Amino acid sequence: DVKVTQSSRYLVKRTGEKVFLECVQDMDHENMFWYRQDPGLGLRLIYFSYDVKMKEKGDIPEGYSVSREKKERFSLILESASTNQTSMYLCASSYDGTSDYNEQFFGPGTRLTVL
Amino acid sequence: AQSVSQHNHHVILSEAASLELGCNYSYGGTVNLFWYVQYPGQHLQLLLKYFSGDPLVKGIKGFEAEFIKSKFSFNLRKPSVQWSDTAEYFCAVDKAAGNKLTFGGGTRVLVKP
Repeated sequence: DVKVTQSSRYLVKRTGEKVFLECVQDMDHENMFWYRQDPGLGLRLIYFSYDVKMKEKGDIPEGYSVSREKKERFSLILESASTNQTSMYLCASSYDGTSDYNEQFFGPGTRLTVL
Repeated sequence: AQSVSQHNHHVILSEAASLELGCNYSYGGTVNLFWYVQYPGQHLQLLLKYFSGDPLVKGIKGFEAEFIKSKFSFNLRKPSVQWSDTAEYFCAVDKAAGNKLTFGGGTRVLVKP
């Protein structure tokens, strides 16, 4: 079974703090993704990475950065947290095969509250 | 920009009722289509997917979806729901081989026992 884990289920931070969200997958997947999930908006892609040290902006990258130093780990960084970044953050990973599209597997999510 | 619309935000129905959730997308090229489900307190998981071939695809737990290319739609159906189908359902679209998903806003389904 593919397992995607996220470092915290719940996190409370103050405005202006630097926040790190960690994601680890155990299936040697090449691709990793960070989404935020907000009611009525579904999931929106923040950043993704298709290889170690490689990253691409998603649809809403502003206010976020990412780091991928090892294949199994993908970190999302909020340099200076703001209240509008209060959300559920989901990490996902997928295999980068050459044939059929490969399913994305999701972690349990981190509910971040910025006060 | 590619967008995905789910027609209903909330659906409430009784056990044994039939369910149909609408999904439309705006991208005109070749797409891969997905329905994901998130049960209360659980991870988002894949319900079914369409890449090519038969436009009627069957997924887990008795769900199916029909791709109608002319209508840019991929509606999800289940003939008879159970209380355990209470969840949030997300439609997602990817341009072929892009591996980047665009999600709809989600539909919360509540099945009354």
